[in-house]
Amino acid sequence: DQQVKQNSPSLSVQEGRISILNCDYTNSMFDYFLWYKKYPAEGPTFLISISSIKDKNEDGRFTVFLNKSAKHLSLHIVPSQPGDSAVYFCAASGRGNFNKFYFGSGTKLNVKP
Amino acid sequence: KAGVTQTPRYLIKTRGQQVTLSCSPISGHRSVSWYQQTPGQGLQFLFEYFSETQRNKGNFPGRFSGRQFSNSRSEMNVSTLELGDSALYLCASSLEGGGYTFGSGTRLTVV
Repeated sequence: DQQVKQNSPSLSVQEGRISILNCDYTNSMFDYFLWYKKYPAEGPTFLISISSIKDKNEDGRFTVFLNKSAKHLSLHIVPSQPGDSAVYFCAASGRGNFNKFYFGSGTKLNVKP
Repeated sequence: KAGVTQTPRYLIKTRGQQVTLSCSPISGHRSVSWYQQTPGQGLQFLFEYFSETQRNKGNFPGRFSGRQFSNSRSEMNVSTLELGDSALYLCASSLEGGGYTFGSGTRLTVV
């Protein structure tokens, strides 16, 4: 059973515009969430995280929003750049289980020049 | 500092064979986790080792096993390979309570 879902397998955005990637989860015990970016032939690289005590975390062009009541998080990239084209995974873990993460299936972002 | 190193990068095996993959974590990281990535399935958690002990386990059959050595290096083994085991196997190391740093993975193809 997929506890973390990314329902959009792909997203195409024009350079300079906002990219919004969505992620839903089912387990109310999840309290720590991360986003990873993955280029072909490379391992995922950490982008940004958020814990359940916050509803927003910002790092440069990347902002993650967490809506606990809806069990939904989103990653906003503003402005989008061609180099952002990659597969983005969201991941979640539960209290006291820091190192077991549940990953979504990924969203492939294409930023067009 | 050196990142997470996985060897080999690519591997082709025949059904029924067994395979061992290796992962060297970032120096000082004591937790090593393994994931399987297949198209459309995202990353599926295999297991996590900490101080030579398996601390977390995913929902994979017993053909998948692992171990960790005293220097934190880890190996995972898959016995009696099946075609469906073809995947990218990712290893990640972390400090306690932190996020992962992933290696580049081992691409396993079973023919």
